Amino acid sequence: QVQLQESGPGLVKPSQTLSLICSVSGGSVSTGGHYWSWVRQHPGKGLEWIGDIYYSGSTYYSPSLKSRLSISVDMSKNQFSLKLRSVTAADTAVYYCARVVYDASGSNGAFDIWGHGTMVTVSS
Amino acid sequence: DIQMTQSPSSLSASVGDRVTITCRTSQSIRNSLNWFQQRPGKAPKLLISGASTLQSGVPSRFSGRGSGTDFTLTISSLQPEDSATYYCQQSYSTPWTFGQGTKVEIE
Repeated sequence: QVQLQESGPGLVKPSQTLSLICSVSGGSVSTGGHYWSWVRQHPGKGLEWIGDIYYSGSTYYSPSLKSRLSISVDMSKNQFSLKLRSVTAADTAVYYCARVVYDASGSNGAFDIWGHGTMVTVSS
Repeated sequence: DIQMTQSPSSLSASVGDRVTITCRTSQSIRNSLNWFQQRPGKAPKLLISGASTLQSGVPSRFSGRGSGTDFTLTISSLQPEDSATYYCQQSYSTPWTFGQGTKVEIE
């Protein structure tokens, strides 16, 4: 079955770029009908959607993060990645990657598979 | 952005109790509503999609109802392993948004 695994630095300095990779196993990022997503969770808080990417490269970003955000996909490595520029302490969170699957109607999407999450702390 | 309001924010109930969590959206989202369970230190788990479609492997004591702006997640007979935080999430339009969560504790 499809599994996702986040990787990247656990500590990032303020003003630098947060870079994470999500490795996909048991399936392919180029499978049609699936989007690939990033979601974060601030300590003790709720879930916040960051953005989605399709294997074609089409992206959807959260408006609140769009100016600092870049999500890309690497089909040769079967992974997708997140780059968040100019980070501050407010970006300290657990970052999850997830797969988005749509139902037969194509109108209802859901995060059906999640990685375990990786904690990223922004601190000098 | 579509605002999501969950209630209650927390509840405590006994094993065997029937528990209902409500999610209200700021505009109609038809049936584009998902429910997740998150246990401490774990990733969220999809329970229900499309407001009422139970995911494979999810116990049948979980059920979802609703359309438009009002939705419910019901646990028909609460079990100890149901202690978790539950989130609703709309997939009607980006940015996808989540409710603030409902923490369910076992008395």
